Amino acid sequence: EAQVTQNPRYLITVTGKKLTVTCSQNMNHEYMSWYRQDPGLGLRQIYYSMNVEVTDKGDVPEGYKVSRKEKRNFPLILESPSPNQTSLYFCASTSGTAYGYTFGSGTRLTVV
Amino acid sequence: GDSVTQMEGPVTLSEEAFLTINCTYTATGYPSLFWYVQYPGEGLQLLLKATKADDKGSNKGFEATYRKETTSFHLEKGSVQVSDSAVYFCALTYNAGNNRKLIWGLGTSLAVNP
Repeated sequence: EAQVTQNPRYLITVTGKKLTVTCSQNMNHEYMSWYRQDPGLGLRQIYYSMNVEVTDKGDVPEGYKVSRKEKRNFPLILESPSPNQTSLYFCASTSGTAYGYTFGSGTRLTVV
Repeated sequence: GDSVTQMEGPVTLSEEAFLTINCTYTATGYPSLFWYVQYPGEGLQLLLKATKADDKGSNKGFEATYRKETTSFHLEKGSVQVSDSAVYFCALTYNAGNNRKLIWGLGTSLAVNP
């Protein structure tokens, strides 16, 4: 089954403790992206990647890092999480703008 | 900049009622248009899409037509069911250099009562 797999689904952590949210897709898509969803603000792009070793900032990249060492994986790294990063995070991939995006199930992160 | 505006919710309907959720957009290029649905506690699922003017996307009884002249992509369904209760997002995307960013509306919550 074609899918994007994110882990974990839920995470509660403390301020400053580094964490990684994993994302993996099995569709051989070149393009992957991370979004965060917040009430009243909708979905905002954090980072995207056009291919292996090619990443760039989206609209709200501060406080986040990403890497793309393999085509299928695109982890999101929070080096020093803060409470304002409490949010619902989605990973997505696509083979092209006309085809739509496949999203992961989301990761609900709470930073206390 | 490019943007998507969709009607605010919540929308509450009785089962078998007709549904319209309005969506308009502004874009400098020729975007592809999408409707995504988010069921309670779940992720985002592609509901339907249209990639050029006058295209009609359809899925699960939902339809939307890409209207370039009115820059709209309204979502319709002739007879809603309780299982359609969800949040619906209108979005657009196009190639902006290397970025294939989705630009989202804020979502419209739909509640269908039996």
